Amino acid sequence: SYELTQPPSVSVSPGQTARITCSGDALPKKYAYWYQQKSGQAPVLVIYEDRKRPSAIPDRFSGSSSGTMATLTITGAQVGDEADYYCYSTDTNGDRRVFGGGTKLTVL
Amino acid sequence: EVQLVESGGGLIQPGGSLRLSCAASGFTLSGYHMNWVRQTPGKGLEWLSYISSSSNSIYYADTVKGRFTISRDNARNSLYLQMNSVRDEDTAVYYCARDQIITYGMDVWGQGTTVTVSS
Repeated sequence: SYELTQPPSVSVSPGQTARITCSGDALPKKYAYWYQQKSGQAPVLVIYEDRKRPSAIPDRFSGSSSGTMATLTITGAQVGDEADYYCYSTDTNGDRRVFGGGTKLTVL
Repeated sequence: EVQLVESGGGLIQPGGSLRLSCAASGFTLSGYHMNWVRQTPGKGLEWLSYISSSSNSIYYADTVKGRFTISRDNARNSLYLQMNSVRDEDTAVYYCARDQIITYGMDVWGQGTTVTVSS
């Protein structure tokens, strides 16, 4: 079955840039999406189609994708950005969707 | 306000059945493809199933294929997940989520309903 691989954790100091990666064999052909999930809350879409940002999401969140790796970048991370972040995409056929294992971002 | 509200969760014995519902408000369900996603305690998100706006296309994750059935009633603005032959590992918070128009990101999520499988 298709898998997306993320690092379990990323830690930065406030104001630094956090980068969370997601690797998957189908990413050269399929878009990556990113979700933020804070404790006890439903996920929130922060990046779609590799690099697009929903209107309510601050511009310190950005996305990119190259080859088999997609990256979520948080420029000037804030304590309030502490959350679990999940990448999401589909297999090459488009009928199996999958989440990465999630990355816990710590900002302190 | 655009909103999804799940219901139907609860305690169920292994091997039993349960039907989850998801009520949409603030938008017309018939215009959107929909999904079910779950999250086991302390673990990550798992996509379970997709249904197209007109129910013409339906997909399942291998972990639930043959046991769970997704359906929708656009006239009632509702989405459903019929869960049969449940197992301990089906214990999770179950979310319904709306696909974005044209692309396959999920832009609106419910708050989730909890299913506990235990004897």
